[in-house]
Amino acid sequence: DGGITQSPKYLFRKEGQNVTLSCEQNLNHDAMYWYRQDPGQGLRLIYYSQIVNDFQKGDIAEGYSVSREKKESFPLTVTSAQKNPTAFYLCASSVGQGDEQYFGPGTRLTVT
Amino acid sequence: AQSVTQLDSQVPVFEEAPVELRCNYSSSVSVYLFWYVQYPNQGLQLLLKYLSGSTLVKGINGFEAEFNKSQTSFHLRKPSVHISDTAEYFCAVSEPLIGGTSYGKLTFGQGTILTVHP
Repeated sequence: DGGITQSPKYLFRKEGQNVTLSCEQNLNHDAMYWYRQDPGQGLRLIYYSQIVNDFQKGDIAEGYSVSREKKESFPLTVTSAQKNPTAFYLCASSVGQGDEQYFGPGTRLTVT
Repeated sequence: AQSVTQLDSQVPVFEEAPVELRCNYSSSVSVYLFWYVQYPNQGLQLLLKYLSGSTLVKGINGFEAEFNKSQTSFHLRKPSVHISDTAEYFCAVSEPLIGGTSYGKLTFGQGTILTVHP
């Protein structure tokens, strides 16, 4: 089955630690995205990538980093510089930028 | 820059009643429009999309939406809702990039929480 996987579903970390969220897709999509979701704030774009080895900052990139070494994978690192990292993180992919996005199941990160 | 406004943050409705979730966008050019649904603690799932052609778009789960260019709206409707329709719904828009040969990434609205009561 084609789709997007995110792991783990739930993640707990101590403040001051970096943590990497996994996102893999087997849809052969060029574009991939990371969103952060907080209650009442909709989806906020963190980073996106249109092609391998290239990515752009979204609206709230500070405190986050990404890499796109393979077409299938777009991991997100939440660094200790992110002031309020506890949130629900969604990964998505699409054929091209303006096409419908396919979403993964999300990772809920809790930092204490 | 494109923007999307979902006019209601929460919509309560009784089971088997009709519902309309409102979405307006700000753009003067031809856009692509999307509606997504998100059940608790899950990712988003596409309900329907408008790219061109007929302004009435039918989607999954009995939902439909009407594109109105003059009012820059794309409201989502369902004639009779079920308890299982309780979820958050997101409207999204994509505008053509400069040059007009391709479209830009989606911009999402803030979401509307639909709660269906028995």
